[in-house]
Amino acid sequence: KQEVTQIPAALSVPEGENLVLNCSFTDSAIYNLQWFRQDPGKGLTSLLLIQSSQREQTSGRLNASLDKSSGRSTLYIAASQPGDSATYLCAVLRAAGNKLTFGGGTRVLVKP
Amino acid sequence: KAGVTQTPRYLIKTRGQQVTLSCSPISGHRSVSWYQQTPGQGLQFLFEYFSETQRNKGNFPGRFSGRQFSNSRSEMNVSTLELGDSALYLCASSRTPLAGATLETQYFGPGTRLLVL
Repeated sequence: KQEVTQIPAALSVPEGENLVLNCSFTDSAIYNLQWFRQDPGKGLTSLLLIQSSQREQTSGRLNASLDKSSGRSTLYIAASQPGDSATYLCAVLRAAGNKLTFGGGTRVLVKP
Repeated sequence: KAGVTQTPRYLIKTRGQQVTLSCSPISGHRSVSWYQQTPGQGLQFLFEYFSETQRNKGNFPGRFSGRQFSNSRSEMNVSTLELGDSALYLCASSRTPLAGATLETQYFGPGTRLLVL
């Protein structure tokens, strides 16, 4: 059974600092891994998707890496801003079909 | 291009009642998945529909059911509501089903917040 863990559960940083969010998964037989952002009471916004054959993906200030062999992914957010405050979730797609297994999320607060 | 829409956005029910939630996927998307989000259990997969057929099912009791229509719109139903069914219910759509390692992101709706009293 696939298990996805995100540590820490919460993170508070001053504005301008780089953010490093971690995600680990137990079964390396994944098709892809996605990072999502969720604002309080809202749905999920897809940030980055990394295919199993890729090592990293970048979009603006966001960079996500994937190491399948060790079952880890890291999301880097450069020069954090207060608007980056949200919960960040990683999810892996393992079996055929579209069933995502989510981590518990990291709640981020960027202080001005 | 319109995003995934879910109705209603908020719902209050009492124990024992039943509820139906609706999800309209992005135009052209044929796969619709449903997830339940609670503070204690996080996000959990309920089921996925493609071309009016349920393809995958999560570990939820039979009180949770769903269906998909020919226009890809989907509904989920929860019968005999329990207090523990209070949650944010999210649906997600994607353009094509997974084929091998095809790159395909899922787009989530804003959710329906259900409160069971």
